[in-house]
Amino acid sequence: EVQLVESGGGLVQPGGSLRLSCEVSGFTFSRYWVTWVRQAPGKGLEWVANIKPDGSEKHYVDSVKGRFTISRDNAKNSLYLQMNSLRAEDTAVYYCATLQTDYWGQGTLVTVSS
Amino acid sequence: DIVMTQTPLSLSVTPGQPASISCKSSQSLLHRDGKTYFYWYLQKPGQPPQLLIYEVSNRFSGVPDRFSGSGSGTDFTLKISRVEAEDVGVYYCMQSILVPYTFGQGTKLEIK
Repeated sequence: EVQLVESGGGLVQPGGSLRLSCEVSGFTFSRYWVTWVRQAPGKGLEWVANIKPDGSEKHYVDSVKGRFTISRDNAKNSLYLQMNSLRAEDTAVYYCATLQTDYWGQGTLVTVSS
Repeated sequence: DIVMTQTPLSLSVTPGQPASISCKSSQSLLHRDGKTYFYWYLQKPGQPPQLLIYEVSNRFSGVPDRFSGSGSGTDFTLKISRVEAEDVGVYYCMQSILVPYTFGQGTKLEIK
């Protein structure tokens, strides 16, 4: 059974940091580009970042460039998102996904508030 | 960035009736490899999105044949031939020809 399980969300103050994790099982994680997509409360979907299977290529939406870092550990079947200098507008549910195969996690909520 | 514009933003449909959603992109999604990198997703309440249509007109595995996609270049349409109660949710178009990938604003489908 395919599973993607996000963790690491929570309440953080503006300017703070969080590291999200996505642990994957049930398919060959190392073969696929993996993506973070977020959804602010009551809003639409926003693509955040993706990473190549071997980790050699990464892309980000402009609003998070320089603040967020996507990474992966294929040996641990895990995807990460290091989020620094968090802002109120980063408040969202963060999903990890492999878009090619349409595998999605259930999401983890990040709330940036004082 | 490529802007994806969906219309309408909401839709109320009687079960058994058809529905149609349009999505326009600010630039062509046709790649030189011949593929058009355009997708339709449905997000049911309380769930992550699920892929319905990939590369304009290909139904993803398990998607009922009442869903169909069409279009080319910058103009795309999702049609539901006969809406069922389980089709409620928010429909999103997405492009992946250029990073950042971008989604439309979403179209909320409700049942009358």
